[in-house]
Amino acid sequence: DAGITQSPRHKVTETGTPVTLRCHQTENHRYMYWYRQDPGHGLRLIHYSYGVKDTDKGEVSDGYSVSRSKTEDFLLTLESATSSQTSVYFCAISATGGRLSNQPQHFGDGTRLSIL
Amino acid sequence: GQQLNQSPQSMFIQEGEDVSMNCTSSSIFNTWLWYKQDPGEGPVLLIALYKAGELTSNGRLTAQFGITRKDSFLNISASIPSDVGIYFCAGQLAHGGSQGNLIFGKGTKLSVKP
Repeated sequence: DAGITQSPRHKVTETGTPVTLRCHQTENHRYMYWYRQDPGHGLRLIHYSYGVKDTDKGEVSDGYSVSRSKTEDFLLTLESATSSQTSVYFCAISATGGRLSNQPQHFGDGTRLSIL
Repeated sequence: GQQLNQSPQSMFIQEGEDVSMNCTSSSIFNTWLWYKQDPGEGPVLLIALYKAGELTSNGRLTAQFGITRKDSFLNISASIPSDVGIYFCAGQLAHGGSQGNLIFGKGTKLSVKP
């Protein structure tokens, strides 16, 4: 395993509540990503980070914010969860240098989030 | 947004058979990646391709970067039961894509033939 831990693994919450998902890596990799996976859509990028305090938006960033105060942690926050954000969320990392330095090489096992 | 057409959506395999799947697009890509996902787990990177015509193998898996740069193919030879899962292609656009933003296909689900 590449040393990626996502927490929580499962969460059920209500519409309008704030939710924070955590991704923790032990690889000291520079790049970290948050994806969501939905039936019929495959994986879609929400936000990514290319260093501490350096983040950028992905394809489906509306309704999500991220923070990276330490190399090892990348947090995804839903400020006010909506039912459309029910999904499986994956964190991914990639190393600095080499051809894959800005593409996700290793994924966590996902967080299944249900918003009622 | 940009789309990748991955086919087939699903297929059944019998042990020992060869399997083929592909991804196509109307856009040009400069990187192709293939991942496999098992139930309850995240995707695992299988093969990465970086230039047109490139053919790369990883054990029984072989992937090719299409000459037109608009498609990629994955072949699995002599399939075994542990090959079941969902296979995703992903491409990095040559133009217009943002750094770090891969476009994923919707997956090909391999199941064991009943």
